[in-house]
Amino acid sequence: EDKVVQSPLSLVVHEGDTVTLNCSYEVTNFRSLLWYKQEKKAPTFLFMLTSSGIEKKSGRLSSILDKKELFSILNITATQTGDSAIYLCAVGEYGGSQGNLIFGKGTKLSVKP
Amino acid sequence: DVKVTQSSRYLVKRTGEKVFLECVQDMDHENMFWYRQDPGLGLRLIYFSYDVKMKEKGDIPEGYSVSREKKERFSLILESASTNQTSMYLCASSFWGDNQPQHFGDGTRLSIL
Repeated sequence: EDKVVQSPLSLVVHEGDTVTLNCSYEVTNFRSLLWYKQEKKAPTFLFMLTSSGIEKKSGRLSSILDKKELFSILNITATQTGDSAIYLCAVGEYGGSQGNLIFGKGTKLSVKP
Repeated sequence: DVKVTQSSRYLVKRTGEKVFLECVQDMDHENMFWYRQDPGLGLRLIYFSYDVKMKEKGDIPEGYSVSREKKERFSLILESASTNQTSMYLCASSFWGDNQPQHFGDGTRLSIL
């Protein structure tokens, strides 16, 4: 059965810390891996990764994919209270139905002042 | 910017009622999705649609149906609401094709009493 596993499930840090969120997957026909940030409302799209070893970066957030070891990490440097959210990892597959994503359960990040 | 609009943020209904959740997107996306999100279980796919009048079951379709009469609108129907359908419901949409991120609405928090 295809699955996406995120760790840790929750994390509490202080402002200024650097955090690393993990996402491992077992998916038969991997196509892409996506990261989303969910605050109180809609998950918002952060990154899509399709190739190993190529870092995607946006401000203090960065992510990289390892297709050999079947995982991705999301790094947040110099965390701020506004980074507090649930971070969702999702994997898309080839074949089957277009556009479907398999989601992990999320990592809840709390950044304390 | 992509806009996915869900008709209600909060909804309270009674057991046995027929409940309609509406979702509209303004980006001419082919794909539309309905998820429910529960603590500890993450996002689970209920139904999705890749074209008008087309629908496919997701992982947990029991107790739900959907309707897609127009490209921009995707409705989720609880035929006879039950307390175990109390949840956060999220609608998403995306373009057809590989590596297209899904864009989410703000969610409807549904309580069945």
